[in-house]
Amino acid sequence: DAKTTQPNSMESNEEEPVHLPCNHSTISGTDYIHWYRQLPSQGPEYVIHGLTSNVNNRMASLAIAEDRKSSTLILHRATLRDAAVYYCILRDRGAYNQGGKLIFGQGTELSVKP
Amino acid sequence: EAQVTQNPRYLITVTGKKLTVTCSQNMNHEYMSWYRQDPGLGLRQIYYSMNVEVTDKGDVPEGYKVSRKEKRNFPLILESPSPNQTSLYFCASSLPGLGVFEQYFGPGTRLTVT
Repeated sequence: DAKTTQPNSMESNEEEPVHLPCNHSTISGTDYIHWYRQLPSQGPEYVIHGLTSNVNNRMASLAIAEDRKSSTLILHRATLRDAAVYYCILRDRGAYNQGGKLIFGQGTELSVKP
Repeated sequence: EAQVTQNPRYLITVTGKKLTVTCSQNMNHEYMSWYRQDPGLGLRQIYYSMNVEVTDKGDVPEGYKVSRKEKRNFPLILESPSPNQTSLYFCASSLPGLGVFEQYFGPGTRLTVT
């Protein structure tokens, strides 16, 4: 799986939008982009995924660059509960038999100020 | 409620005393995995199972055993724990799927081996 690069940390104010960037310049055409987050003292949780088009769900939006070499996770209104480490992970579409392994990098630690 | 449960949540033990960390999921998922999380190293996969009676090594399997006798359970066994196995352990489960993995993680087990 290709590598991703994220800033180590970001800060946001409560109720403001947050844009979390991820660079993946070596992404292949069959890599899905996944985002997970890990709240303090909890296991990681799935946030969103996409392949080429922008995606929205109840938690967040995912904006994917046209060349797919970068993506941005967008939290539309940050709350204190969104303070977490956010991981951007690539996974090959054909990786059926890899035992479900997700390769977590260091992620971006998001802090949210009241 | 769909969930992955782990027991115990916290465990302090001594070198060489065999222990088992249980993991159970109620979503009828085929895939189950164990990860360990260490500061500066992120999450690393220990073992995984693609279905009942099918298990395989992840990236850091030394010192661990697993079994998958029933679909819902995937216990992690440390036959002779050592201090370097002090870590935070997560169990995860998911349905198989081409490239798209929404994995569900348990709450974690913090193990200290003295």
